[in-house]
Amino acid sequence: EAGVTQSPTHLIKTRGQQVTLRCSPISGHTSVYWYQQALGLGLQFLLWYDEGEERNRGNFPPRFSGRQFPNYSSELNVNALELEDSALYLCASSLDGTAPGELFFGEGSRLTVL
Amino acid sequence: GENVEQHPSTLSVQEGDSAVIKCTYSDSASNYFPWYKQELGKGPQLIIDIRSNVGEKKDQRIAVTLNKTAKHFSLHITETQPEDSAVYFCAAKGNDYKLSFGAGTTVTVRA
Repeated sequence: EAGVTQSPTHLIKTRGQQVTLRCSPISGHTSVYWYQQALGLGLQFLLWYDEGEERNRGNFPPRFSGRQFPNYSSELNVNALELEDSALYLCASSLDGTAPGELFFGEGSRLTVL
Repeated sequence: GENVEQHPSTLSVQEGDSAVIKCTYSDSASNYFPWYKQELGKGPQLIIDIRSNVGEKKDQRIAVTLNKTAKHFSLHITETQPEDSAVYFCAAKGNDYKLSFGAGTTVTVRA
């Protein structure tokens, strides 16, 4: 069974540009989460989508947004990129976001903003 | 929201010794406490988890304990091996269904 897949794996952008990151959850999983992991730091919660709806949002500015598609895949969009947006962006999926249970993570998309 | 604190930030142990990582959480309604291991260049992977109705859980060389009264939980790794070297994260899931992570512990096992 395929795990959580993310694309692209690496990308370089310049300040002010926009970026879209993509995530495909494990088959059968309806919840998708996005986390930001800056270098040497922990995982900061960005967004949680379930059944196509945004269920929860972390303390990030509105230029961080996303969506979940009917097939449960998801996109994370970041507008007006800033240098401090450089980080590893991790996507995770789970069977039921409201119940205790494992989050399965992808390998991440490493974004560098110059 | 939930706030998870994790200590120590770095831990160096001799191969064969034990490693202990401790975490505290703030939301008394939290009911799920997983531990993740992240190797270089990879996404975090679940190694063990515990739910609020259980005080201790063991899986081979790994054990987790939970004290709900004190709002802290710990990871114990016995007989450490070089492949245990990685970054370990604790996490807690509260009433808002958000999984909040600690800052991580970099474990180095010296041969």
